[in-house]
Amino acid sequence: AQSVTQLDSQVPVFEEAPVELRCNYSSSVSVYLFWYVQYPNQGLQLLLKYLSGSTLVKGINGFEAEFNKSQTSFHLRKPSVHISDTAEYFCAVKGGSEKLVFGKGTKLTVNP
Amino acid sequence: DTGVSQNPRHKITKRGQNVTFRCDPISEHNRLYWYRQTLGQGPEFLTYFQNEAQLEKSRLLSDRFSAERPKGSFSTLEIQRTEQGDSAMYLCASSLQRGIDNEQFFGPGTRLTVL
Repeated sequence: AQSVTQLDSQVPVFEEAPVELRCNYSSSVSVYLFWYVQYPNQGLQLLLKYLSGSTLVKGINGFEAEFNKSQTSFHLRKPSVHISDTAEYFCAVKGGSEKLVFGKGTKLTVNP
Repeated sequence: DTGVSQNPRHKITKRGQNVTFRCDPISEHNRLYWYRQTLGQGPEFLTYFQNEAQLEKSRLLSDRFSAERPKGSFSTLEIQRTEQGDSAMYLCASSLQRGIDNEQFFGPGTRLTVL
């Protein structure tokens, strides 16, 4: 079975500051890793994914994440955030079956 | 718009009533998934279909829940004898099976409130 821990439930940050949202996972099998964003009253949108290859993955809206197998982490980063990045972010893992296992989410609030 | 659509977007019902939700996937996608998201939590997997076959069900899917995808296109999720604990956002996703890259595209969800 897989599990995902998102270490911060809320992250406040000022506009144009860098941000890191942390994600750790647990699995007994090889996994694929994902970050999704959810804006209020909307569904989930894929930001980026790690399937294989380079451990540094670039996604949409200037986000990137690095897969660290030894630390079982997949932290999401952005060097300079905008007000429009305010949303909830979910880390997810898939391994051994087709289902996604999600963390509890991190609410990112970007303040002016 | 060719994304995943879900109807209704909101449903309010009384405890003990039955409800049914519909999901229309992206047209060429052969896989369809249902997830449930409660307040303050991430989505939890309920079940998924490949074409019309239901291939995996979570233990969260009690006997009161049933999902169908009769012709391999749209899907319905029915909850019988609703309970207040069923109040949640029900999310549908679809994907096209192609090797390891089976990106799941999510719909906007159906928010269920059980009074």
